[in-house]
Formats: sequence, structure tokens, C-alpha cells
Amino acid sequence: GESVGLHLPTLSVQEGDNSIINCAYSNSASDYFIWYKQESGKGPQFIIDIRSNMDKRQGQRVTVLLNKTVKHLSLQIAATQPGDSAVYFCAENIFNSNSGYALNFGKGTSLLVTP
Amino acid sequence: KAGVTQTPRYLIKTRGQQVTLSCSPISGHRSVSWYQQTPGQGLQFLFEYFSETQRNKGNFPGRFSGRQFSNSRSEMNVSTLELGDSALYLCASSGTSGYNEQFFGPGTRLTVL
Repeated sequence: GESVGLHLPTLSVQEGDNSIINCAYSNSASDYFIWYKQESGKGPQFIIDIRSNMDKRQGQRVTVLLNKTVKHLSLQIAATQPGDSAVYFCAENIFNSNSGYALNFGKGTSLLVTP
Repeated sequence: KAGVTQTPRYLIKTRGQQVTLSCSPISGHRSVSWYQQTPGQGLQFLFEYFSETQRNKGNFPGRFSGRQFSNSRSEMNVSTLELGDSALYLCASSGTSGYNEQFFGPGTRLTVL
């Protein structure tokens, strides 16, 4: 079936480096995507979102890129800090005319920032 | 604004029992969604409520149910608990149903023995 997936389950980067977390989606009807960060013992925290009419969106130290041609989404974190260590999830917002909206989450990538 | 709150934070039950979890959304938010998070399956959508109506439902058995009250607070119930129901149950609220950022609560950790 259609699903959201992540290319790498774990990513280790050095403090100060840039991080790139990738996500593939297969539902061509997906038109809204969100990245969440989840720290241990907490619920997911919104990082950044992007609609399908855009291919890039920037936030504070984060950039999301959307390539609809290959159904690929990435999260770039600039100057990664120890506080960025967490699990990152991409999610696609799928609309069904019968049942409304639902978020479909990927499995998550664990980002570990080493000093 | 206060964030999404969930009670209780931790719960231990035995097989066959039932459980009710509670979620209070951010003030003014009318949409509440529930998710189950397990190490094996990740985050899976359970259902969404908007203005007291279930708008969307995930692929879970009928043992999982929910409701929303007029003040937008929501409860979910799991009957006849199974070991596999052990998970972190997350609630998220948003201003409207659809293209909106969802704000998550800290979750309720349910352990079924």
C-alpha cells in the first residue's frame, strides 16, 4: 500500500555540521507535509511544514525541500547542536473525501549529535 | 496558552480490562486526533474528532473508540485490553480539521500486563 518511509533509521553528525534527513512518500495525492521532532519522553513537536505548491521552505536553522517529481522530502538542519538530538518524523496529510484528513507518519530517523 | 494535556501520564492495566484516556486540547482548538506509538509500528492514526463528530478513523479494531465533548475535550477508550495495546497514546489538537499544524500532548504510556 502507499506509505511514507524514511531512507535512514539513524544518523550521527558532529556538532556544528549540517544534517539532512530524508523521507520518501508514495501517495501522489499528498499535498501537505510536516516534519516533527520527538525527544525522549515527550510528544512530537512541530518543526516545519510545506504545501505541495512549494518546493522549499525555510525556518530558523531548518529548511524543508520537496521534490514532487520523485516524491521525496528532506529536512536540513544547519549547524546541528546537541539539543537537536531526537527522533525526526515526516508526515503526510492525506485527505479522503469520505473520512477527512489524517496524518500518515514515517517510521522516524534518530539523529545523534556528537560533540 | 497552555498546551495539550493528557491524563493520566502512566497507566498499568491487565489483559481483559478496559481503559479511558483523556485529552484536553489547546484552548480554542476544535480538532482532536489520537495516535498510537509503538517501537515496531511507529505512529499510527487512530481517529480524529472535530466539533464532537468523528471525522476520520484509522485502521484499528472496534475495541478502540473515542468521543469528544462540547468543550472539545476528548476521551479514548480501549476495551478488552491485549498485551499488544501497550503503547504511548498521543493526542494532538489543531484549530481546524485539515491543513493545520497539529500540537501534540506528552502522551499516556499504557502498559498491559
